[in-house]
Amino acid sequence: KAGVTQTPRYLIKTRGQQVTLSCSPISGHRSVSWYQQTPGQGLQFLFEYFSETQRNKGNFPGRFSGRQFSNSRSEMNVSTLELGDSALYLCASSSGGGNTEAFFGQGTRLTVV
Amino acid sequence: GENVEQHPSTLSVQEGDSAVIKCTYSDSASNYFPWYKQELGKRPQLIIDIRSNVGEKKDQRIAVTLNKTAKHFSLHITETQPEDSAVYFCAASDVQNFNKFYFGSGTKLNVKP
Repeated sequence: KAGVTQTPRYLIKTRGQQVTLSCSPISGHRSVSWYQQTPGQGLQFLFEYFSETQRNKGNFPGRFSGRQFSNSRSEMNVSTLELGDSALYLCASSSGGGNTEAFFGQGTRLTVV
Repeated sequence: GENVEQHPSTLSVQEGDSAVIKCTYSDSASNYFPWYKQELGKRPQLIIDIRSNVGEKKDQRIAVTLNKTAKHFSLHITETQPEDSAVYFCAASDVQNFNKFYFGSGTKLNVKP
């Protein structure tokens, strides 16, 4: 069974630009969660999607948004990039019920210059 | 919201010794507690988890204990090996929040050969 796939692996963007990251979950998994990982703040929850609906949202500004498609693939978008958005963005895939195992992708390393 | 604290931030042990990492949580509604291992430049990998209806769970050299009354849980690694060197994260979630995990700040474990 293929694991969680995130693309691209690396991105360099300029302040003010926008970026879209993609996550393909494990086959059969319907839940995709997104996390931001930075040395200073650790792993912070962005949002979670299940069956194309956002079920949960973290404390990030509205510049961070996401969506999920009918095949469970998910995208997250960050508009008007700031230097502080530089981070490793991880998605996690799970079957979707509460308190089930979540498996992470390799992440997308975003650098904003 | 939930607050997860993790100690110590760094831990250095000799190969063959045991290592213990401790986490506390604040929300009594939390009932699922996974542990992740993240090697440098790699994705977080689920190594063991425990649910609130269980006090202890073991998988070969790894065990997790949970004290619901005191709101703390611990990871125990016995007979440590150099390949156990990594950053370990604890997390907590509750079924109402689906896959929204609150992560600890991480413990960097160094196993010296």
